[in-house]
Amino acid sequence: EVQLVQSGAEVKKPGATVVISCKVSGYTFTDYCMHWLQQAPGKGLEWMGSVDPKDGETRYAQKFWGRVTITADTSTHTAYIDLSRLRSEDTAVYYCATGLNREATTRTPFFDSWGQGTLVTVSS
Amino acid sequence: DIVMTQSPDSLTVSLGERATINCKSSQSVLHTSNSKNYLAWYQQKPGQPPKLLVYWASTREYGVPDRFSGSGSGTDFTLTISSLQAEDVAVYYCQQYCTTPLTFGQGTKVEVK
Repeated sequence: EVQLVQSGAEVKKPGATVVISCKVSGYTFTDYCMHWLQQAPGKGLEWMGSVDPKDGETRYAQKFWGRVTITADTSTHTAYIDLSRLRSEDTAVYYCATGLNREATTRTPFFDSWGQGTLVTVSS
Repeated sequence: DIVMTQSPDSLTVSLGERATINCKSSQSVLHTSNSKNYLAWYQQKPGQPPKLLVYWASTREYGVPDRFSGSGSGTDFTLTISSLQAEDVAVYYCQQYCTTPLTFGQGTKVEVK
């Protein structure tokens, strides 16, 4: 069974950095890019970026460029997202997601597998 | 960036009736190389991650009831729920996966009348 299990909720002060993890099981971690998405309260989904665990290559959305770092640890089958210089607008649920369907293109997939989400609250 | 625009923002439908959600992309998501539309639909219920319903604009994900169907090509797409059930109350999103940044519509909230 495929599982993407994310770390727990975080409360951070403005200006701080948050690190969220996504531990996977049930598939070959290095075969598929891991993507991260943001969903602010009551809002839609926004793609933040992705990492290819095979070679560490990353892609980021321009909106988050310079504040986000996505990495993958192949020894623990875990992907991470670091978001720095937090501000109140970063209060959101963050999801890791991937596309395991063999028809999906790993770097630009449709997402058939999702983590449960991690709520990050930024408040002074 | 490809902008995805859904309509309507919300929809109230009686049980057993048809619900239709539209999605328009700011540029074509049809790849001429394989004649496929890089368009997916998701359903999201409160407190849950999105669930994939349809990909390639019209291919239903395994296990998704056949009352859900997708259609369209190029820049204009539709998700249809042929006979709304109580468990279909949710927010629905379209997504293009033609190019990065991957982008989503703003969502359509479906409620029961």
